[in-house]
Amino acid sequence: GAGVSQSPRYKVAKRGQDVALRCDPISGHVSLFWYQQALGQGPEFLTYFQNEAQLDKSGLPSDRFFAERPEGSVSTLKIQRTQQEDSAVYLCASSLAGTSEPSGANVLTFGAGSRLTVL
Amino acid sequence: AQSVTQPDIHITVSEGASLELRCNYSYGATPYLFWYVQSPGQGLQLLLKYFSGDTLVQGIKGFEAEFKRSQSSFNLRKPSVHWSDAAEYFCAVGAGSYQKVTFGTGTKLQVIP
Repeated sequence: GAGVSQSPRYKVAKRGQDVALRCDPISGHVSLFWYQQALGQGPEFLTYFQNEAQLDKSGLPSDRFFAERPEGSVSTLKIQRTQQEDSAVYLCASSLAGTSEPSGANVLTFGAGSRLTVL
Repeated sequence: AQSVTQPDIHITVSEGASLELRCNYSYGATPYLFWYVQSPGQGLQLLLKYFSGDTLVQGIKGFEAEFKRSQSSFNLRKPSVHWSDAAEYFCAVGAGSYQKVTFGTGTKLQVIP
């Protein structure tokens, strides 16, 4: 598609439930980032993929968070045993650049986000 | 590690007035700098970016930003604000081998008639 698509747009989960958030990046984009944006805050980095390789997961807040991109396109962020503090908007972004690309090519295109509310 | 500071949480300007949003960054070398805008319920949209060259960069919607190395700043400006500019603005810095992008906490802009 023309842009980054995220689903679901809204998700309400009971505490302890597992959730899966999907990101469909722009076709051909090598890099894929996940960010978490709490209410009133800026986006916080969670994890980065270059094609199917997860090169950085330093921002994942706990081992309940897991992300994958098995075929180098669609990515899924999974949160197990959700807690109230997981409530946030989860943003996905993609770009053409990989580590071998000219730096000028790395401009992120963001999806509209998935708003997760944990009750 | 890089970081970004946006000292103004909330700014109110009158329609037609000029605007300057402040951004300071911390990074050991020259980073890549961005301004994004986020309207309610929307994703982040890129306004402009600085990678190298001319320190005054032009963006979409009439915005511009100036990179000042000596002040570690990348302030966003617009000469005349429109009501449709009301949104939240995020400064960001990209650095490292894969240009991890780190965001500031944002400045919420309110435009009054």
